[in-house]
Amino acid sequence: EVQLEESGGRLVQPGGSLRLSCAASGFSIRNYWMTWVRQAPGKGLEWVANIKEDGSVRHSLDSVKGRFTISRDNAENSLYLQMNSLRAEDTAVYFCARDLDVNDGKTWYDAFDVWGQGTLVTVSA
Amino acid sequence: AIQMTQSPSSLSASVGDRVTITCRADQDIKTDLGWYQQKPGKAPKLLLYAAFTLQSGVPSRFSGSRSGTVFTLTISGLQPEDFATYYCLQDYTYPRTFGGGTKVEI
Repeated sequence: EVQLEESGGRLVQPGGSLRLSCAASGFSIRNYWMTWVRQAPGKGLEWVANIKEDGSVRHSLDSVKGRFTISRDNAENSLYLQMNSLRAEDTAVYFCARDLDVNDGKTWYDAFDVWGQGTLVTVSA
Repeated sequence: AIQMTQSPSSLSASVGDRVTITCRADQDIKTDLGWYQQKPGKAPKLLLYAAFTLQSGVPSRFSGSRSGTVFTLTISGLQPEDFATYYCLQDYTYPRTFGGGTKVEI
């Protein structure tokens, strides 16, 4: 069965650091772009960052640039999100997702077809 | 960042109803848009990508359309399992941006 499982979320103080992990099973992440999406309590979805199959290209939300780093270990079949200088507004459930990255011959389209169950990060004193 | 304005924020409907949800982009995003369904406490689920393409396994009562920068998700014949929150997501440029969500209630 194709699955993603996040871990690492917990209560952390403002200014603290945390590393989230996303373990894949049933498929190899080396063939896919991978993405982190978050959802603050009672709020909508927010795209956070993504990383190319070989790790050579990364993109992230402006509000996390310089604080969050997305990375991957294809040999370990895992995705990571290193979160530093955490703020109260980073409090959210963090989901990892697989991007099918579909091509129609002209354009590449995101299609997040497999998601983990999410891990809760709470930033509070 | 591209702003995606989704409407309505919530709606009430009955089983069998035809439901339409709209997302407006503040600039041209071609057909670089996906739709996701999320139920409480669960991860989102991909419904459509590239504005019109139904993800494998998603019922055909879900469909997408586009008119310029306005995208529509239509559910033709609402089923009990369709009561959820729906989000659009533009993937035309970075950062990717979601619409604010539409909660479909009974």
